[in-house]
Amino acid sequence: QLVLTQSPSASASLGGSVKLTCTLSSGHSNYAIAWHQQRPEKGPRFLMKLNNDGSHNKGDGIPDRFSGSSAGAERYLSISSLQSEDEADYYCQTWGTDIQVFGGGTKLTVL
Amino acid sequence: EVQLVESGGGLVEPGGSLRLSCAASGFTLSSHVMNWVRQAPGKGLEWVSSISSGSSYIYYADSLKGRFTVSRDNAKNLVYLQMNSLRVEDTAVYYCARVFASGSFHFDYWGQGTLVTVSS
Repeated sequence: QLVLTQSPSASASLGGSVKLTCTLSSGHSNYAIAWHQQRPEKGPRFLMKLNNDGSHNKGDGIPDRFSGSSAGAERYLSISSLQSEDEADYYCQTWGTDIQVFGGGTKLTVL
Repeated sequence: EVQLVESGGGLVEPGGSLRLSCAASGFTLSSHVMNWVRQAPGKGLEWVSSISSGSSYIYYADSLKGRFTVSRDNAKNLVYLQMNSLRVEDTAVYYCARVFASGSFHFDYWGQGTLVTVSS
């Protein structure tokens, strides 16, 4: 079964950096994913598509502070120079032949 | 500029029906797979349904048990979600989302959502 696992919460300091993790279920470690950001009371926003080799393609207007990387079944979203506007929920997404799957989301708090 | 605008949400009693619409602009709708995703209050994102560009392939989340029907009218730049036999647990913000054009099925644009409240 295709499942994505995310930690419920993370925190980091203003101006600092953070690395969020999304883990693919067993047998699916070669899958690509996408990262989406959802600020409070807003719709989701596409950040990037992240391949299993770590290559990634970002959405329109996504700043260079956002980057992605991969290691095995883990997919990472790194954010540097954290700003208050980065405080949001972050979801990973993947897909199968007839299904779309979301991780449970990580709530990022910027201290 | 790509825009997706959902409408049709509102308050409905359990057992009732509602049809949501997603108006697409700024791109050629007929070139893209489209999806519906929902988010219950305080919860995460849940995929609802997917419809291919020409409506040949349609998929639903197992949890919906045939109560929802997705359709599209490319000539009118609209995607629909017909929701029947609504339950309290269907209360959520419903988003439409566009799938990237080719070779990948990630969502690259989202609408702002429309709220559906199922309550007596």
